[in-house]
Amino acid sequence: DGGITQSPKYLFRKEGQNVTLSCEQNLNHDAMYWYRQDPGQGLRLIYYSQIVNDFQKGDIAEGYSVSREKKESFPLTVTSAQKNPTAFYLCASSMSPDSSYEQYFGPGTRLTVT
Amino acid sequence: GQNIDQPTEMTATEGAIVQINCTYQTSGFNGLFWYQQHAGEAPTFLSYNVLDGLEEKGRFSSFLSRSKGYSYLLLKELQMKDSASYLCAVRDSNYQLIWGAGTKLIIKP
Repeated sequence: DGGITQSPKYLFRKEGQNVTLSCEQNLNHDAMYWYRQDPGQGLRLIYYSQIVNDFQKGDIAEGYSVSREKKESFPLTVTSAQKNPTAFYLCASSMSPDSSYEQYFGPGTRLTVT
Repeated sequence: GQNIDQPTEMTATEGAIVQINCTYQTSGFNGLFWYQQHAGEAPTFLSYNVLDGLEEKGRFSSFLSRSKGYSYLLLKELQMKDSASYLCAVRDSNYQLIWGAGTKLIIKP
C-alpha cells in the first residue's frame, strides 16, 4: 500500500526542547511539503522540497529546519526558537510541484509544547 | 496580498444539497483544489479545476469562474459521513498552494 506516514500521531515536549517530526512516503513522489494547521486558519507552508538535497522556505519557516537526504524522507525539526510550536503538523507529497497533480497528505502529528 | 475566502460554517440536512463557495485573490492562477478534512485527520483530495466550468464526480461537483475569482463545491444527496471541513486551495504563479481556512459542514438528520 502506497502512502505517507507520519510519526508519532501525538507528541508532547517541554518548552526549550527541539523535536523532530518524521515523514516518509513510498509513492515515489519528487515533491514534499510541511504545513502547519491552527484552528480557524488555512494550512500554512513551512518548507518544501522539489528534489533530494534541495529545499526552500515557505511562508513561516522561522524556528523550523528540514533535511531531504532521501527521496522518501523529509523530517521536520521544530526548534526552541519557534515561538508558538503547539499545532497540528501535516506532511504532504506530490508527483511534481508544477503540475495539476494533487498533494497527498500524511495523517498528521499533533505537537503540544508546555 | 493573497486571500482565499470561504464561509466558516454551514449546516445542511441529510439527503439535501449544499453549495460551499470560495472566492480568491491570488498572484496568478494555476488551478483550484477542493479537499475534505474530517476532524483530526488529514485532508483528502476531492476535485481540481483549472478551466472555467463544472467538473462532476459522483455526488460532488466543483465549479470555477476564473474571471470572477470564484469557485463552489456542490454536494448532493448529503450523508452523515459528509460532516467535515471542506478546504479550498489555489495554486499561485509560483505553483504554491494558498489555502482557505475551510468550511465546517454540519449535517443534521
